[in-house]
Amino acid sequence: ETGVTQTPRHLVMGMTNKKSLKCEQHLGHNAMYWYKQSAKKPLELMFVYNFKEQTENNSVPSRFSPECPNSSHLFLHLHTLQPEDSALYLCASSQARDSRRVAQYFGPGTRLTVL
Amino acid sequence: TQLLEQSPQFLSIQEGENLTVYCNSSSVFSSLQWYRQEPGEGPVLLVTVVTGGEVKKLKRLTFQFGDARKDSSLHITAAQPGDTGLYLCAGALSFGNEKLTFGTGTRLTIIP
Repeated sequence: ETGVTQTPRHLVMGMTNKKSLKCEQHLGHNAMYWYKQSAKKPLELMFVYNFKEQTENNSVPSRFSPECPNSSHLFLHLHTLQPEDSALYLCASSQARDSRRVAQYFGPGTRLTVL
Repeated sequence: TQLLEQSPQFLSIQEGENLTVYCNSSSVFSSLQWYRQEPGEGPVLLVTVVTGGEVKKLKRLTFQFGDARKDSSLHITAAQPGDTGLYLCAGALSFGNEKLTFGTGTRLTIIP
């Protein structure tokens, strides 16, 4: 596998379910991100992890719980979601602190539908 | 939250035509990236510009960073159906800052 992978690619869940999204990067990067992409809205940053430490929580509701066990893996645990949480959830990675090169590399996303 | 406005929001043109999309902000960015996203996929990095006035070319795509580093443009020459997608600009507010602010996006459709 190369680049950034995400599983599952599609997920349908009820409001009472608990599920997890997984992201893995094979680029040797040390920063990882979760974004939410909804129709008609700019990409919304949710969480940033730098060297496994969370450095950004962009006022995300507690029903979204991130976990970063190491610099290659990132999880997003979901519980008691709402229908408005339906969106494409994107994971990205970058080589943090690399002077001007802050470009991020994205996975294909998980299309989440909350019923 | 700083906002990057992209225009136009939607653009549909015939194959072979030229086009320009814009990315504007009132904030100064240390660097700016352009991404293209196709349906069902994540954004793919096209280019990074870091110096005011910088111009970069990627085949038929020309990217320019404004002199004041507040805006950028993407010009496509002789558009092809493969150029269809959502174009996103994203800016970093300071050097080494891993947080990017993404633009509102331009959805481009090239008609064969």
